[in-house]
Amino acid sequence: KAGVTQTPRYLIKTRGQQVTLSCSPISGHRSVSWYQQTPGQGLQFLFEYFSETQRNKGNFPGRFSGRQFSNSRSEMNVSTLELGDSALYLCASSLAPGQGGGYTFGSGTRLTVV
Amino acid sequence: AQSVAQPEDQVNVAEGNPLTVKCTYSVSGNPYLFWYVQYPNRGLQFLLKYITGDNLVKGSYGFEAEFNKSQTSFHLKKPSALVSDSALYFCAVSTLKDNFNKFYFGSGTKLNVKP
Repeated sequence: KAGVTQTPRYLIKTRGQQVTLSCSPISGHRSVSWYQQTPGQGLQFLFEYFSETQRNKGNFPGRFSGRQFSNSRSEMNVSTLELGDSALYLCASSLAPGQGGGYTFGSGTRLTVV
Repeated sequence: AQSVAQPEDQVNVAEGNPLTVKCTYSVSGNPYLFWYVQYPNRGLQFLLKYITGDNLVKGSYGFEAEFNKSQTSFHLKKPSALVSDSALYFCAVSTLKDNFNKFYFGSGTKLNVKP
C-alpha cells in the first residue's frame, strides 16, 4: 500500500511569505503528526491531529498552524516566514492514538527560507 | 518530565564489528519504545519497537534492541555492522496521556560504519 505522501518535496520561499505543506497518510491511518527537523534542534513536535481535531500541540508560535480533513489528509501552514523556519518538515501517520503503534513517516518537505 | 537521551552524538565502528547505539529514557508509567533510522534527505524509517513481553526485540535489517527496565535503557544492537548501516538513528518513547500517544524523540546518533 502507498506510504505517507508529503508534497512538495522541496520549497524555497522568501522571508515574510507564507507556505502550506500537505500530507496524505497511509490509507486507514487517522492520526497525523507533524515534526520540524533542524540540525541544531533535532526533531521538534509541532502538532497531532486525529478525527479533524488537534489533540496535541508542541511549543511553536502561532505562525504555525495545521488542520486535518475528513479524509485524514493534513496540511500545515506557516505564515510570515522567518529564516529560522528553514527545516525539514516531517509528517507521520498512525492508525489511531492510544494503540501503542508506531509512526510511519513521509519523506518530508525541505523548506528553505531566503 | 518525560525524556529520551541518546548520550552519543556519533558512533564509529568498523564493518563486520558489533555495534551498539545507546538510549535511556525517563517516563512515568509503562513506556512503548521505538527505534527509527533516517537516511539523508529522507523521513524516518521504523526499525523495531518494544511494547511488552520479551525484553529482546528483533527488528529490520538484522537490528535488535534490549529493554532493560531497571536501567531504563533500550540500546540498539547489531552483531555485524555493514557500511550501508551508516545513518542517523533515533530512539523514541511513547506514553499514553488521556488515551492518546505522546511521542518523545532522542536527539539522534549518527552511526558511521567504515569499510
